[in-house]
Amino acid sequence: ILNVEQSPQSLHVQEGDSTNFTCSFPSSNFYALHWYRWETAKSPEALFVMTLNGDEKKKGRISATLNTKEGYSYLYIKGSQPEDSATYLCARRAGSYQLTFGKGTKLSVIP
Amino acid sequence: NAGVTQTPKFQVLKTGQSMTLQCAQDMNHEYMSWYRQDPGMGLRLIHYSVGAGITDQGEVPNGYNVSRSTTEDFPLRLLSAAPSQTSVYFCASSYSGLVDPSYEQYFGPGTRLTVT
Repeated sequence: ILNVEQSPQSLHVQEGDSTNFTCSFPSSNFYALHWYRWETAKSPEALFVMTLNGDEKKKGRISATLNTKEGYSYLYIKGSQPEDSATYLCARRAGSYQLTFGKGTKLSVIP
Repeated sequence: NAGVTQTPKFQVLKTGQSMTLQCAQDMNHEYMSWYRQDPGMGLRLIHYSVGAGITDQGEVPNGYNVSRSTTEDFPLRLLSAAPSQTSVYFCASSYSGLVDPSYEQYFGPGTRLTVT
């Protein structure tokens, strides 16, 4: 994998469903993996920053896991709510500074 | 703390005009960057800076110029606006990842630019 790739591109779920997305990235020269939540007409807001293989982070109903050896991270949302509707971005930090972003997964939660 | 601020929020330019998008942060972050966001393209890095007096190009630098004379400010200059530069521009900042790679990057509210 040469770039940061996210799947699926978009997702529609019913309120109360649990869901997950995938972020795939080059495993070489890895420093950190960031997840952002981005609501329409707002700026991206950081959810998690993960650095170690096997890292698991949790914030309320949202959690994330990291596998740096195989180059992927999963974001899970348990019991989706309409307010979870947003685009979820992942970004890989390869060096000390720059982030390379995926194109995002757009989640729509239907009431 | 105001965080990362950007001005203006909206701007319409005519082809060939120049302008400067302003970005400022009050968190004493070493690293600042400019991204553009286009439909289906995600966030693409234009230029970045790792400290006052130090800047470098990102993925899509053509047509843009930056300078960093202070830690707080990182303006983005459009030299001669083109319709292809119609986009939403985000400024972001963070601490250096040299000491701790787990630092978050904070984004400004964005500037929506239309070039006609």
